[in-house]
Amino acid sequence: GQQLNQSPQSMFIQEGEDVSMNCTSSSIFNTWLWYKQDPGEGPVLLIALYKAGELTSNGRLTAQFGITRKDSFLNISASIPSDVGIYFCAGPTHNAGGTSYGKLTFGQGTILTVHP
Amino acid sequence: DTEVTQTPKHLVMGMTNKKSLKCEQHMGHRAMYWYKQKAKKPPELMFVYSYEKLSINESVPSRFSPECPNSSLLNLHLHALQPEDSALYLCASSQGHTDTQYFGPGTRLTVL
Repeated sequence: GQQLNQSPQSMFIQEGEDVSMNCTSSSIFNTWLWYKQDPGEGPVLLIALYKAGELTSNGRLTAQFGITRKDSFLNISASIPSDVGIYFCAGPTHNAGGTSYGKLTFGQGTILTVHP
Repeated sequence: DTEVTQTPKHLVMGMTNKKSLKCEQHMGHRAMYWYKQKAKKPPELMFVYSYEKLSINESVPSRFSPECPNSSLLNLHLHALQPEDSALYLCASSQGHTDTQYFGPGTRLTVL
């Protein structure tokens, strides 16, 4: 089945530093989603990417949909303490015929810790 | 507005209890989902409803019983659960089943 390999698994950074994380797959995805999850809360959508090559920003966050459709990255600039959490990439799972039926494939998550 | 609400926030139940989780959205979305999530792991899909009909059951044990009374509401009925069922249960919705999913805050379930 489709899998997303997300790296790094965890990051420990100082406040003010930039962060970069990425997801790769051996399969093509037509949409890439980036979610952030705070402890005990549900995932919150940060950025959705729908087109190969697309580069999208949301405040200090920037994400790109890889041109091969097999990868995506998320950058966070000038990190702040509230950036702490788990970041997940995700994409719609497709069957052999290329049809998406509502299931999301998730990466394993990147745990971000920001030291003040 | 991309809000999905879930109640209760926390639930503690014994293995012989019957309880229900509730999810609501007023975004006019026609697809709704239940996920189970263990600590520091990604969410795992349980059920998908599309236009109020169950379209996917990811081989979930029958002690979990979903219900979609109308296009805005999704319930998950729980009966005879096991301690290993303790987890964060997440509801999500999307415009259609191929569209971007928005998650609720989750219900933290503890089974004693």
